[in-house]
Amino acid sequence: QVQLVQSGAEVKKPGASVKVSCKASGYTFTSYGISWVRQAPGQGLEWMGWISAYNGNTNYAQKLQGRVTMTTDTSTSTAYMELRSLRSDDTAVYYCARGGGDYVGDFDYWGQGTLVTVSS
Amino acid sequence: QSVLTQPPSASGTPGQRVTISCSGSSSNIGSNTVNWYQQLPGTAPKLLIYSNNQRPSGVPDRFSGSKSGTSASLAISGLQSEDEADYYCAAWDDSLHGVVFGGGTKLTVL
Repeated sequence: QVQLVQSGAEVKKPGASVKVSCKASGYTFTSYGISWVRQAPGQGLEWMGWISAYNGNTNYAQKLQGRVTMTTDTSTSTAYMELRSLRSDDTAVYYCARGGGDYVGDFDYWGQGTLVTVSS
Repeated sequence: QSVLTQPPSASGTPGQRVTISCSGSSSNIGSNTVNWYQQLPGTAPKLLIYSNNQRPSGVPDRFSGSKSGTSASLAISGLQSEDEADYYCAAWDDSLHGVVFGGGTKLTVL
């Protein structure tokens, strides 16, 4: 069965960086993109971007351009999302999800979420 | 402020039919397909409807989606207590070149 298992919760200080991992299993990793979506406490969903696990092409949300980098390691079927220059409003649960690409907005499997807390 | 507009709340009694609306523009719903997600308390979102009106395997046919112009709707018939959750619409936006979500609708089963 398809599973996306994310790394554990993180606590970071403002200005630091965080890197969240998402290990996929149960399907051919390079056949699908991986998207990242975050959810601030008590708030809605925010799309962060996606990466093609086939060729590494990326598309990031405009508001995060320059601060976010998404990568994949096909040898371990793992996707990574790094967010730099963290601010308090980056505090959120970060989800990876299978799917993504231009004109694609449906993500059929999701990770369990990783809570990132940014606090001094 | 979300690009797609949803009512913040909706409610119904068991067995009732409820609908949740999602309003957008020509750059998102008007030119791309709409997807709906269900998020139960404390859990990750789950894909409920894709491509406007398609249900993934395992989603009951009590859930249905529709789209007209720059708006979309999610209908839930035969409401059950386990349907109490947050519901989000999503679509690709040509102007932003990314996915946009609605602000979410909290469904309460009375």
